Amino acid sequence: GAVVSQHPSRVICKSGTSVKIECRSLDFQATTMFWYRQFPKQSLMLMATSNEGSKATYEQGVEKDKFLINHASLTLSTLTVTSAHPEDSSFYICSAAGGRTGELFFGEGSRLTVL
Amino acid sequence: DAKTTQPPSMDCAEGRAANLPCNHSTISGNEYVYWYRQIHSQGPQYIIHGLKNNETNEMASLIITEDRKSSTLILPHATLRDTAVYYCIVSQPLGQNFVFGPGTRLSVLP
Repeated sequence: GAVVSQHPSRVICKSGTSVKIECRSLDFQATTMFWYRQFPKQSLMLMATSNEGSKATYEQGVEKDKFLINHASLTLSTLTVTSAHPEDSSFYICSAAGGRTGELFFGEGSRLTVL
Repeated sequence: DAKTTQPPSMDCAEGRAANLPCNHSTISGNEYVYWYRQIHSQGPQYIIHGLKNNETNEMASLIITEDRKSSTLILPHATLRDTAVYYCIVSQPLGQNFVFGPGTRLSVLP
């Protein structure tokens, strides 16, 4: 199946700093990518839909100024957590539609720990 | 909210078939049934999907009832590495309304 890759897989940062997570579709072009967040022992929660060449669409309750999304090319979307705080510590996962009938493929996830 | 209902947990003996049910009574005519699984600390892995016909691939089989209100994912010979949380999702293609419920935590026992 299609491959989606995330980087970094783990990141630890100090409170108040910003962290960028990259999501790449390796063998297909993705006009739309999705960013999810997952807290321990919980399911995935959709944060935003990233559209190539236009602004992202954020889910209710997700601060667009805190979680900056850029989708500058058909194979790369980035999520920047600005002014990170300990409560932003979570598992962040991206996905893109790469199948013949639109199934989503997910990245390996990026675990953010804010100290 | 998720449009599916799954049992929170199931056990299966190693080597036996694992049958994971999913109810999706409000599924729309253009929505597919997707199955994913998530092993601890990894991203979800695509398993299989279908619209109305039964489907089979190298990982699993998907049985969809004729009225499409429920489905069953079958892992024919479960191994310890199949221990994971299994998510059943109904969505239109391209993931525009991909909503994850709590899933079923499958434990394959030796």
